[in-house]
Amino acid sequence: GAGVSQSPRYKVAKRGQDVALRCDPISGHVSLFWYQQALGQGPEFLTYFQNEAQLDKSGLPSDRFFAERPEGSVSTLKIQRTQQEDSAVYLCASSLAVRGGGPRIRGQETQYFGPGTRLLVL
Amino acid sequence: DQQVKQNSPSLSVQEGRISILNCDYTNSMFDYFLWYKKYPAEGPTFLISISSIKDKNEDGRFTVFLNKSAKHLSLHIVPSQPGDSAVYFCAAVGAAGNKLTFGGGTRVLVKP
Repeated sequence: GAGVSQSPRYKVAKRGQDVALRCDPISGHVSLFWYQQALGQGPEFLTYFQNEAQLDKSGLPSDRFFAERPEGSVSTLKIQRTQQEDSAVYLCASSLAVRGGGPRIRGQETQYFGPGTRLLVL
Repeated sequence: DQQVKQNSPSLSVQEGRISILNCDYTNSMFDYFLWYKKYPAEGPTFLISISSIKDKNEDGRFTVFLNKSAKHLSLHIVPSQPGDSAVYFCAAVGAAGNKLTFGGGTRVLVKP
């Protein structure tokens, strides 16, 4: 498949456990985003990568949340010492866009989403 | 504070009729707007977008209208089909950024 894939699709964790969520973006997409979606709400931005560089992590709710994209393709979102309030769907998206260095081409900024990982912390 | 709002949490429409979904925003720095459609247990799927330099964009059954002075956009689906039943999110991007700011979503039910 050529779309964004995420694994696992479902994760149940006991409070205090660490979890790692994986995202495989569309091949060739430079930008990668993580969002958190609570039940009944719209997705909320967590963090953004351009290639391997994390350019914006302003949405990470606490220092228990950590994201990386070491080789500029696959990304992992790690949550340490999970809490019940971390229960949500975690969505990954990728886009072609490269920020800076020329005029923005709006079509390339369209973000394509994976199916999400549903995390339940008990 | 919610910068993007979808004030109608749900909408029910008869098959073949028009569905109109509304979205309001407060941040005047937003200059690009998108609509996504989401089925249960799936990620959002891109539908249509519009740049702030335009006031209308059309793609098949989907048309998005932008009223910058009112900071309002709407999505028209005509004719509505049962497969359109889903949750629809509007989202906005600022000129200086890349992240999407989403509304809370509108659940659409198209009745056969």
